Amino acid sequence: DTGVSQDPRHKITKRGQNVTFRCDPISEHNRLYWYRQTLGQGPEFLTYFQNEAQLEKSRLLSDRFSAERPKGSFSTLEIQRTEQGDSAMYLCASSLAGTKNEQYFGPGTRLTVT
Amino acid sequence: GDSVTQMEGPVTLSEEAFLTINCTYTATGYPSLFWYVQYPGEGLQLLLKATKADDKGSNKGFEATYRKETTSFHLEKGSVQVSDSAVYFCALLPLAGNQFYFGTGTSLTVIP
Repeated sequence: DTGVSQDPRHKITKRGQNVTFRCDPISEHNRLYWYRQTLGQGPEFLTYFQNEAQLEKSRLLSDRFSAERPKGSFSTLEIQRTEQGDSAMYLCASSLAGTKNEQYFGPGTRLTVT
Repeated sequence: GDSVTQMEGPVTLSEEAFLTINCTYTATGYPSLFWYVQYPGEGLQLLLKATKADDKGSNKGFEATYRKETTSFHLEKGSVQVSDSAVYFCALLPLAGNQFYFGTGTSLTVIP
């Protein structure tokens, strides 16, 4: 399978704990995006990378959230001191720069904060 | 700011019925417009897109036409199948932007 993959698919954590999600984009894609989707809503943009550079961050991305893409391949999204409001599906997408229309999405990581 | 307003669901149709899911947008300039579909337990898949006014996107029997004058991109299919049951999202990509703006999604259930 050469699509976007995300790990884990599901994560249950207690409030106050830190969690980290991983996204592996399509191998030749140099752009990687993170979105958050809450129940009954469409995905909302969080941040994106071109290669290893984080080029844009939404104001939704509070100080407790940090994303990295150290070698321009996979990316991690860490949430520190989780809150119940962080419960959502976290989606990753990738694309080629110059073909920004074509974003391919992964299956998502569903986070539940108890 | 840029936004998408999508017809609320859920929508339940009988097999072979005609489908319309309304989508209107607010944006400056000429954004690109998309329909994504999300099947249960799966990620979003691009269904179709249109990048300029009067373009028609089509795929798997679904169609949508980019209407600048009414700022709309309604999704249609002439004869739905049970396998079309999914959540459908309208989205826009601003001309000078890199992030998608999604609607809230419309859940479609097709019954035999």
